[in-house]
Amino acid sequence: GAGVSQSPSNKVTEKGKDVELRCDPISGHTALYWYRQSLGQGLEFLIYFQGNSAPDKSGLPSDRFSAERTGGSVSTLTIQRTQQEDSAVYLCASSSQGLDNEQFFGPGTRLTVL
Amino acid sequence: AQSVTQLDSQVPVFEEAPVELRCNYSSSVSVYLFWYVQYPNQGLQLLLKYLSGSTLVKGINGFEAEFNKSQTSFHLRKPSVHISDTAEYFCAVSDRSGGYNKLIFGAGTRLAVHP
Repeated sequence: GAGVSQSPSNKVTEKGKDVELRCDPISGHTALYWYRQSLGQGLEFLIYFQGNSAPDKSGLPSDRFSAERTGGSVSTLTIQRTQQEDSAVYLCASSSQGLDNEQFFGPGTRLTVL
Repeated sequence: AQSVTQLDSQVPVFEEAPVELRCNYSSSVSVYLFWYVQYPNQGLQLLLKYLSGSTLVKGINGFEAEFNKSQTSFHLRKPSVHISDTAEYFCAVSDRSGGYNKLIFGAGTRLAVHP
């Protein structure tokens, strides 16, 4: 079946602009994660959604970052007033419920802030 | 807090030679451990995982890893590598303190297999 998909694959924006990154999880997966992969910080957790529960936003680096998940499926990560240090690859992963269930990763969105 | 250290940022190796990618973790609770592989311009793919039970874990593509609690290590090994194994490899530990599986990753090891 289809895996996790993310769009766009690449995004170039100017400093100060807002961007939206989209994630389509595997159908039936109730858990959804966002991670960021950057040269300076490596791979770091951003946010976690489980079904319709309140998300764990503890990894978001600033209040310019927000995310939502509509209908327990598609998720959008929004970065407002982008800065150059936001340049990174943003990875989305989904899994079925359960602590030992594998997270399946999408191909990522490469964000470049000029 | 849990953390992961990958001791080598790059590992060059010749084709058909054995390889070991080192990973050490820090955790005050029982651990779930993972190795992921990332091919160029792709997402992460799970190679193998340790949750409990046998300390020797076998994964895909001929890789295996051994959980060593006394040395807090989870090194990845393959007896004979191929050119196609060239990729970046990430070790991760699961932080389950929030009631879900939040992955804490190491910095990654770039494996370069030469003919």
